[in-house]
Amino acid sequence: DAKTTQPNSMESNEEEPVHLPCNHSTISGTDYIHWYRQLPSQGPEYVIHGLTSNVNNRMASLAIAEDRKSSTLILHRATLRDAAVYYCILRDTGNQFYFGTGTSLTVIP
Amino acid sequence: KAGVTQTPRYLIKTRGQQVTLSCSPISGHRSVSWYQQTPGQGLQFLFEYFSETQRNKGNFPGRFSGRQFSNSRSEMNVSTLELGDSALYLCASSLRGTGGINSPLHFGNGTRLTVT
Repeated sequence: DAKTTQPNSMESNEEEPVHLPCNHSTISGTDYIHWYRQLPSQGPEYVIHGLTSNVNNRMASLAIAEDRKSSTLILHRATLRDAAVYYCILRDTGNQFYFGTGTSLTVIP
Repeated sequence: KAGVTQTPRYLIKTRGQQVTLSCSPISGHRSVSWYQQTPGQGLQFLFEYFSETQRNKGNFPGRFSGRQFSNSRSEMNVSTLELGDSALYLCASSLRGTGGINSPLHFGNGTRLTVT
């Protein structure tokens, strides 16, 4: 099972950028990197995913290291609504998602 | 488009009983997967169904089972409930499931099961 390592918790000031790191040193060549977040009392929500190149969407950016052993989810301007648990997940064709314990992000007004 | 619907939202059962949870996926999604979430273990994969066939199974005892119907709706059953089965059970649907790398999961808000 390909595993990821994330910090248990992080804090950010509102309207500041947030960089959420994820280590995945055992990643295989066909593993995609997915990020989900879970707001209180809700199911997880898809944020972004990528394979090798950096990716951007309306929610966030994903920066993937050249050796693919780590990645960073970037929220460009944190809002109070971004307070959630963020999960970094590796996924390969035919395999299920393996969620870790994630990073709990606190946004300070 | 309606999201993933899970029923019931809350459930209280006693040890030894059995329980059935229901999940209605997003229209057009053929894959449904189930997860158990507890404070100590986080989110753990239970199983995935695609077109009525179980495609993947996590590391859970045989007391946990599921099925999927022709309309893609899915049910999960837990027999002989134990205290440790108390958890939030989440269902997720996707267009292509694990066969589709670019097919994200869409989660419901879960069923909170308490076993006393």
